[in-house]
Amino acid sequence: SQQGEEDPQALSIQEGENATMNCSYKTSINNLQWYRQNSGRGLVHLILIRSNEREKHSGRLRVTLDTSKKSSSLLITASRAADTASYFCATGRSGAGSYQLTFGKGTKLSVIP
Amino acid sequence: DAGITQSPRYKITETGRQVTLMCHQTWSHSYMFWYRQDLGHGLRLIYYSAAADITDKGEVPDGYVVSRSKTENFPLTLESATRSQTSVYFCASSEEGTQYFGPGTRLLVL
Repeated sequence: SQQGEEDPQALSIQEGENATMNCSYKTSINNLQWYRQNSGRGLVHLILIRSNEREKHSGRLRVTLDTSKKSSSLLITASRAADTASYFCATGRSGAGSYQLTFGKGTKLSVIP
Repeated sequence: DAGITQSPRYKITETGRQVTLMCHQTWSHSYMFWYRQDLGHGLRLIYYSAAADITDKGEVPDGYVVSRSKTENFPLTLESATRSQTSVYFCASSEEGTQYFGPGTRLLVL
């Protein structure tokens, strides 16, 4: 069963706007990661945030984690057409098997030039 | 080139045939994974391996077999392909929790 659930399922914005995607999960985690998938390609790792962290930045990406609400958000600032892709959150569980990730179904982002 | 490769990239087969999907990584990562990606289901873990000769089932292992005799290779075999195994298959390797994905194999079972 899916651990992470992204919201919204699809998002369409104009170039230059910010895009926010959310992820909710159900059980205790060791870390939460975000991946991007361009059409027809494999997933590419974007950012990892550990359970004891609240916010992390990488370039135009900002990720927050609220373990009390079991939720995370990914913000892409000043979006570009090249950001058009599907974005997945993935949770790494606590304890044994922490190398396994459970992926959500993804948010499909369309950035209109 | 360094990285993770999959072959073939596209495969058409018939119901009942055996199919092997290959995965090769050049990083010497201990962990490797096989996923399938289907519309409406996202990525689902089929099998994973923590090291050579150590494999374990994921969420959807039925109908699949894996082996890992060498650290760098992790082949996935469909012993008797079924139409429900039509999917896109991704291999990944892991370093410190981050996973690195191959380009995928699109498999069509007729």
